[in-house]
Amino acid sequence: DTGVSQDPRHKITKRGQNVTFRCDPISEHNRLYWYRQTLGQGPEFLTYFQNEAQLEKSRLLSDRFSAERPKGSFSTLEIQRTEQGDSAMYLCASRATGGLNEKLFFGSGTQLSVL
Amino acid sequence: TQLLEQSPQFLSIQEGENLTVYCNSSSVFSSLQWYRQEPGEGPVLLVTVVTGGEVKKLKRLTFQFGDARKDSSLHITAAQPGDTGLYLCAGFDSGAGSYQLTFGKGTKLSVIP
Repeated sequence: DTGVSQDPRHKITKRGQNVTFRCDPISEHNRLYWYRQTLGQGPEFLTYFQNEAQLEKSRLLSDRFSAERPKGSFSTLEIQRTEQGDSAMYLCASRATGGLNEKLFFGSGTQLSVL
Repeated sequence: TQLLEQSPQFLSIQEGENLTVYCNSSSVFSSLQWYRQEPGEGPVLLVTVVTGGEVKKLKRLTFQFGDARKDSSLHITAAQPGDTGLYLCAGFDSGAGSYQLTFGKGTKLSVIP
């Protein structure tokens, strides 16, 4: 178990630029989540993949956000035309096939700062 | 989306004291999970409670799931500085056809040596 890996750990960008984050889940996990967390808040759900299929997306998610998991392994989250309000920690998590009680393994996150 | 309310939001105590944090909802959850998060890291699962009334112990931590599966509590005995962190409760609602794990805002605990 090498854990969930996220890259980069930190990203500073100017408003209006596009950014892309990568998540490598635990190898045998076919379910992958993206969350966003701001200071003083709990993680907020963004989207969920089962294998390569994006099965759920938050209704609060702007059209500027898009996520992919092309081969059912790693995933990318892209934010287009970034805004200062996008500044947050972006967390990826994975879990193995199983019941809803199964544990989520989180990565260390990508901290995004939009100037 | 179901909401989970955690209280207190902040808690600062001396080493050796006991404390309880709460997680409440108006909705029923099929299970609740408790996570601990340290600054700059992702949350790490502590425990999952499934059955109403269930009590689980993890060393000095005791977790309880309410009989109606709408609330949960975390009690820490003889807190230590290593317990410092953000404690998050989270729940799955299998009945809503959603896959998302909903988190509360967390309780930020500081244990002062």
